[in-house]
Amino acid sequence: GAGVSQSPRYKVAKRGQDVALRCDPISGHVSLFWYQQALGQGPEFLTYFQNEAQLDKSGLPSDRFFAERPEGSVSTLKIQRTQQEDSAVYLCASSFGVVTYNEQFFGPGTRLTVL
Amino acid sequence: KQEVTQIPAALSVPEGENLVLNCSFTDSAIYNLQWFRQDPGKGLTSLLLIQSSQREQTSGRLNASLDKSSGRSTLYIAASQPGDSATYLCAVLYYGNNRLAFGKGNQVVVIP
Repeated sequence: GAGVSQSPRYKVAKRGQDVALRCDPISGHVSLFWYQQALGQGPEFLTYFQNEAQLDKSGLPSDRFFAERPEGSVSTLKIQRTQQEDSAVYLCASSFGVVTYNEQFFGPGTRLTVL
Repeated sequence: KQEVTQIPAALSVPEGENLVLNCSFTDSAIYNLQWFRQDPGKGLTSLLLIQSSQREQTSGRLNASLDKSSGRSTLYIAASQPGDSATYLCAVLYYGNNRLAFGKGNQVVVIP
């Protein structure tokens, strides 16, 4: 497809389990972002990649969160030892070229529920 | 702190009325401002992107204005339809950042 895709769309995890969320950006998009959206809130920034380089990870809430984009296209957000407070929608966005001048296009998100 | 505020959190309008949604931001040093639409359980759909050098952008029934000096943007939706019911999010890209700063959104219901 032409848009940003994410998988799985829904994930239920027991507390303490590890999860991996996948993002396929729009082909050719250099910039990739992960955001976390709690219920009733706006998305909050987690991390930013330019190609394969993770240029900003200051939004990751703890060292249990890890993101990678090894070949500069697909990205994976991994959460280790999930906690209930990790329950949220995780949104991926991509942008063509320099982020300061270009629109960010969002995927449908992965809704994570930690029991 | 670089914040984005959207008030009111929720509003209802009768079909056919014009919708006016407001977004305020705390620092005029921005690269751009983007309006999004979010349907329940869905991702974000980009509606309009306004660069810092622009005053407004238009797409169909949508018009967004930007006043950096007062830290405000307004999204106008003309002749609202029930299909316009959704949450509308404003997001700002501040200087020195590569991340969008989002408001909490305006939840809109258009009553047939």
